[in-house]
Parts: sequence; C-alpha cells; structure tokens
Amino acid sequence: QKEVEQDPGPLSVPEGAIVSLNCTYSNSAFQYFMWYRQYSRKGPELLMYTYSSGNKEDGRFTAQVDKSSKYISLFIRDSQPSDSATYLCAMISGGSNYKLTFGKGTLLTVNP
Amino acid sequence: IAGITQAPTSQILAAGRRMTLRCTQDMRHNAMYWYRQDLGLGLRLIHYSNTAGTTGKGEVPDGYSVSRANTDDFPLTLASAVPSQTSVYFCASSSDRLAGTDTQYFGPGTRLTVL
Repeated sequence: QKEVEQDPGPLSVPEGAIVSLNCTYSNSAFQYFMWYRQYSRKGPELLMYTYSSGNKEDGRFTAQVDKSSKYISLFIRDSQPSDSATYLCAMISGGSNYKLTFGKGTLLTVNP
Repeated sequence: IAGITQAPTSQILAAGRRMTLRCTQDMRHNAMYWYRQDLGLGLRLIHYSNTAGTTGKGEVPDGYSVSRANTDDFPLTLASAVPSQTSVYFCASSSDRLAGTDTQYFGPGTRLTVL
C-alpha cells in the first residue's frame, strides 16, 4: 500500500458546484497536512495547512482531517473556472524522521 | 520579492550532454529541494539541502548532483543526460526542513527534454 493515495481524476464539475477532493494515508507518523494547488505549467502553491483533526476554513476552501480514519479532504464551495487546476495533498512526519510526502494530484476542471 | 527563480524555463538536450539547472531564492530560507514531476508518478524528491554547505539524497538521486555553496543558490547538475531524465524539474525552499510546521514554496519549474 502506498503511503499516500489520491485519486488522479480527472474531475469535471459545473461552475458553482461543491467539490470534494480526498487523500488517504497509511503512515501514522504523519502529523501535518497540506493542500497545494498547481495550475497548468506552473509550480505548486500552498493552499491550506492543518495539523489537527477537524476542519479549517479559508474563504471558499475547507480542509478536513480525520486522523482516526487516516483520511483528509479539501472542499471547494461555489467552485469557479479559476479553480481549475491540479490539487496535491501533502503530509509531513515531523521530528528527526522528517519526511514530506505528496499525493499524485487530482486534476479538476470547473466548467462555466 | 521574486521568491524562487529557475533557469532555463525549458531546454532540449542531446543525450550524453551535461546540463545544470539553476535555482535561486531570495527568502533567506535555510532548506532547498529539487523535485521532478512526471505524469502518473507525481512529485519525487531528487536531492535536498538543510542548510548552506550540506546536501542529502532524496528518493531518486541517481544521475543527479547538487551543491549548496551559499544560502540563495541550489544548482542541479545532470552529468550525462539520458532520455529517462525528461521531466519537469521544480526547485523549492523552506525555512527549516526539520521543523514540523515547515512548508515548502516552489519555483515555476524547468521543462527538460532529453533526446
């Protein structure tokens, strides 16, 4: 089993839809969780960062972490064509065994 | 503030040639990284540097070398390029690699094609 699993999609939704993006992981040492957004032919940019189970909101974006289920989600409300990008989850196991592991990314297209 | 710059933006290279990809950051970050991104394989770490003067191997280091002579620059060298090194290369930096809350910031990437 891979340490981080992410459905590559592609996911296509109409403008205004609620989008749910998900990752599962197997390594209990992961403590910190991030979502990166990558536009076509650009570098990834940090979108959301969480370190505890529960929800974190930032505008139209909500990051959710369930450590007991080893499952993280990113919700996008009122999706816009400008949200069309690849979304990568990323996780850090901290301390002396520092390791940052990325999911392979989900390609999202929001159609106007 | 530019953040992270990479050069060249893209390059076509003959197999067997030597190539250095350049990366410069102006955020005074201690740590820097090189990744390659391939379809279906995601981002894979090639080499990293915790601080100037130190480097370490990542997941896929073979065929690549790095140096970190100062805080700002982290060049990646392909000594003798092979077609399997065709990829998009991203440089990244972070404040402190060993801090649990550390987050990485990425450059715009270099598209390299080895023929």
